[in-house]
Amino acid sequence: GAGVSQSPSNKVTEKGKDVELRCDPISGHTALYWYRQSLGQGLEFLIYFQGNSAPDKSGLPSDRFSAERTGGSVSTLTIQRTQQEDSAVYLCASSPKKRPKRDTEAFFGQGTRLTVV
Amino acid sequence: AQKITQTQPGMFVQEKEAVTLDCTYDTSDQSYGLFWYKQPSSGEMIFLIYQGSYDEQNATEGRYSLNFQKARKSANLVISASQLGDSAMYFCAMREGGSGTYKYIFGTGTRLKVLA
Repeated sequence: GAGVSQSPSNKVTEKGKDVELRCDPISGHTALYWYRQSLGQGLEFLIYFQGNSAPDKSGLPSDRFSAERTGGSVSTLTIQRTQQEDSAVYLCASSPKKRPKRDTEAFFGQGTRLTVV
Repeated sequence: AQKITQTQPGMFVQEKEAVTLDCTYDTSDQSYGLFWYKQPSSGEMIFLIYQGSYDEQNATEGRYSLNFQKARKSANLVISASQLGDSAMYFCAMREGGSGTYKYIFGTGTRLKVLA
């Protein structure tokens, strides 16, 4: 596709339920990132995938959060047993392989707004 | 320790005037990139400008310029001739080059309001 696509755009779930958020990166982009943005706040890094390398999971806030990336393309962020503090906008971004001389920006999706009630 | 620090939670500027949004960063890498993004109320993240750590010239993109002071580890965004459409949240970000993991680290943002 032309840009990073995320689905659903909005998700309301009951506390304790599991949710899956999907990200379709730009075709050919080797790097994929998940960020969380609470209302009016900055972007909190969650996880980063680069090609076939082991993902950088250092930002995942708890073991209720996990993510996978199948075939080096689509990624799914799963939140188990959701809590009210998980309510936020979850942003996915992708970028081409980092170049030595000139880096490249991350291209963001529109985000998934998750509300846990 | 904060990798990216944006000390101005909110800023006001009069239309047509210039405004500087501050950003300082912390890294021990020699190779890194600095980015600015704009996030309007619609929520999308719009890339504005990039500065590489080895770039000798300050980056410019239209009305945006980046005042890069490497020794002070600052990468301030300058918006000239502000427009009402510039009202948004602005994020500074860094991508380090030497640690083997190339995630973008974002600051907490500055909310800019342009006044008519």
